[in-house]
Formats: sequence, C-alpha cells, structure tokens
Amino acid sequence: ILNVEQSPQSLHVQEGDSTNFTCSFPSSNFYALHWYRWETAKSPEALFVMTLNGDEKKKGRISATLNTKEGYSYLYIKGSQPEDSATYLCAFSSNDYKLSFGAGTTVTVRA
Amino acid sequence: EAQVTQNPRYLITVTGKKLTVTCSQNMNHEYMSWYRQDPGLGLRQIYYSMNVEVTDKGDVPEGYKVSRKEKRNFPLILESPSPNQTSLYFCASSLLGDVTGELFFGEGSRLTVL
Repeated sequence: ILNVEQSPQSLHVQEGDSTNFTCSFPSSNFYALHWYRWETAKSPEALFVMTLNGDEKKKGRISATLNTKEGYSYLYIKGSQPEDSATYLCAFSSNDYKLSFGAGTTVTVRA
Repeated sequence: EAQVTQNPRYLITVTGKKLTVTCSQNMNHEYMSWYRQDPGLGLRQIYYSMNVEVTDKGDVPEGYKVSRKEKRNFPLILESPSPNQTSLYFCASSLLGDVTGELFFGEGSRLTVL
C-alpha cells in the first residue's frame, strides 16, 4: 500500500474565508492524482484527476495544484460556504492501475 | 441517469454466513473496483477489474471474492464473513481502463458482522 498522507486531518473555517490543505504522495513512478469530495451519507464525487506536473485545475471556487517532482498536491477552497463542508479525499496511482487513498481532510465551514 | 448501484445498503449478519454485495453500473465502464472504508483509514482497495473476466487483487483481498461475468456487474462475495469485515464498502467504476479516469462511486454498503 502506497503511503498517501493528507494534512491536516480536519479543519474548521469561517464562512467566507479561504482555506487549503495538502496531499503528499511518493514522488517516483507518478501516474495520476485524484481529488474527491465526500459528503456525509453520500457517495464520494470526483473533483479532479491530474496527471501532469504543474497541472492546475479549477471547478468553481475549488482549485488544485500538482507537483509530481516533490510529491504533493494542494486543494484550495476560496470563499468557503457551508455546502463545502465535506471530507476531501486524495488518491495516488503509480503505473500499476491501483489507487491508494489518503485518510482525508474533513472541512467544516462555520456560518 | 448515470449511476453505480449497490445492494444491500445496510446489512447485519453473523459470522460464517455467506453474503454477496451486488454492484451494477449503467455507464458501460470497463474498470470496476471495490473498496472498504474504516475509521481513520483511507479507502482500501479490495479487488478491481479491468474488463469482463479480468479481475485482480487490491491491497486487502483476504476473505473476499469477486467475479466479472458481465461488464455492468461486479459482485463482492464474502464466503465466510468475520467481525473484522465489519466496514463500509464502496463499489466504483471508471470509463477508462486505467486510473486516469475519474471514479464513479456507489452509495456504499454498511456491513456489520456479529
């Protein structure tokens, strides 16, 4: 099992504030990096799939960057809203068709 | 509507009583996978399938079996469940035959083994 670490484990943010958190993964044999949002009692939903070093992706107020050489990805939430409250999962794959998931960062947005 | 459907969503069973969790997708995806989620841990892959009749072990395959006889279905079989298999299980599928495609997840099946 590849070591994928997410930090922090949880965070609280005031509505309207921006925040970011990290996914760290092995820097060798990189193939793909996924981000998912998992709301309580729902299915995890894909946010981004990133494959190229330096890639930046954006969906609404959420964006992600990727550094494959140093083995990390950041997820940013701009102007947090209560509906952004969820657990954010990252998953890393080397070229073996297996995804290894981190334990997630749980974001709670306070009104 | 594109979806991955798992059944049952909730199940309480006893040690040793064989059970099957079904998974079906209507998106004609080649790749399907099963994960379990336990508190404090990331999703861990149990088995995956690249296509019909092609399955392979994930990271935690012990105590589980799968089959892929049709493209749309990927059932998870627990031949003799034990309490350490109490967990939340997710089935997922992906259009592409590798992991560069986003995964579509089912709603999860919460299994309790007494």
